[in-house]
Amino acid sequence: NAGVTQTPKFRVLKTGQSMTLLCAQDMNHEYMYWYRQDPGMGLRLIHYSVGEGTTAKGEVPDGYNVSRLKKQNFLLGLESAAPSQTSVYFCASSYLGEFTEAFFGQGTRLTVV
Amino acid sequence: QQPVQSPQAVILREGEDAVINCSSSKALYSVHWYRQKHGEAPVFLMILLKGGEQKGHDKISASFNEKKQQSSLYLTASQLSYSGTYFCGTERQAGTALIFGKGTTLSVSS
Repeated sequence: NAGVTQTPKFRVLKTGQSMTLLCAQDMNHEYMYWYRQDPGMGLRLIHYSVGEGTTAKGEVPDGYNVSRLKKQNFLLGLESAAPSQTSVYFCASSYLGEFTEAFFGQGTRLTVV
Repeated sequence: QQPVQSPQAVILREGEDAVINCSSSKALYSVHWYRQKHGEAPVFLMILLKGGEQKGHDKISASFNEKKQQSSLYLTASQLSYSGTYFCGTERQAGTALIFGKGTTLSVSS
């Protein structure tokens, strides 16, 4: 059981380039989330999804887009990367319902130069 | 709106106790606690729903004061393995996304 898998684990981008981060979960979870983690800022929610075909904005959505075409996958896109998007990105997923913990992927370290 | 965690950092010797607080200005449905080791993903510790129920996990327990919208994480007789950054995550309604605080870094030395 792989849990939550993020691809890639590391990436260096030049300013203005685009890329897509992939999150895949094999637990049949309804909810999926993208967070970014920066020193001293904690985990900040970028976008999330409560089911296939649905997405919603989080705390810091600007500069990012997401899609959830399949229940098991949640994609995070950067259309035109900026140095301010240098961060560690975590994907997480959870079941719908009470007492549901979130399971996190191992993170993607993205550097924009 | 991010919940506020305090303190920002705690330094302990093995065997000492610590309390980490998490507060919100808005009414909460639930509070989650996670621990993150350096370079790793956050790992779930426990969840508390409104109602003030206290939950425990080995020597780590937590409470949720609904009137104050505050949760506290209690680490007793700390061990080296407790070192890491502790995050509280809050839900304002059932089924909404978790919003995390900035974290509390706990360092336990022998």
